[in-house]
Amino acid sequence: QVQLVESGGGVVQPGRSLRLSCAASGFTFSNYGMHWVRQAPGKGLEWVAVISYDGSNKYYADSVKGRFTISRDVSKNTLFLQMNSLRAEDTAVYFCAKDQGRGYNYGSIFDHWGQGTLLTVSS
Amino acid sequence: DIQMTQSPSSLSASVGDRVTITCRASRGITSYLNWYQQKPGKAPKVLIYGASSLQSGVPSRFSGSGSGTDFTLTISSLQPEDFATYYCQQSSTSPVTFGPGTKVDIK
Repeated sequence: QVQLVESGGGVVQPGRSLRLSCAASGFTFSNYGMHWVRQAPGKGLEWVAVISYDGSNKYYADSVKGRFTISRDVSKNTLFLQMNSLRAEDTAVYFCAKDQGRGYNYGSIFDHWGQGTLLTVSS
Repeated sequence: DIQMTQSPSSLSASVGDRVTITCRASRGITSYLNWYQQKPGKAPKVLIYGASSLQSGVPSRFSGSGSGTDFTLTISSLQPEDFATYYCQQSSTSPVTFGPGTKVDIK
């Protein structure tokens, strides 16, 4: 069965960097797009970034563009989110989510989700 | 960006009730509309994709309809395990956007 396990969250000071990981199993990782979606405490869902199945296309929310970088390592079946210049408003649970398709910039359906990892940005 | 709105923001209902949640897009998204259920402390789960297609394994009491800008999620007979927050999500145009959610709780 599909499993997505996030890690790397924690408490970090504003302006610092952190990298999140998402270990994938139970499906052919290289065939599907992958996303990061976040949820601030007590708030709704906010899409963050997508990477296409082959890593050739990446798209970002305006709120993180230029600060966050999504990547994938097919050899390790792992998705990453490198987060730089962190701000208090980046505080959230970060979910990785599998796309039902190739991960283009339209038609995304999040058919499997990880349990999430909490990032707290605070001094 | 396409803005998604949902109504109501919350509702109270009883087991067995028919529940309808509405989602509206700020411009036409054809049928690129998905619905998710989220329970406290858990990840969201997709219920409906493409506005009206039931995701595998989802009970048939859930149904979706609509196209263009106006969409509906219906739960035909509310069950105890359905008390949760429901989100719509458009994937017609990047960036993907979600509605603000509708919380369904026990009357």
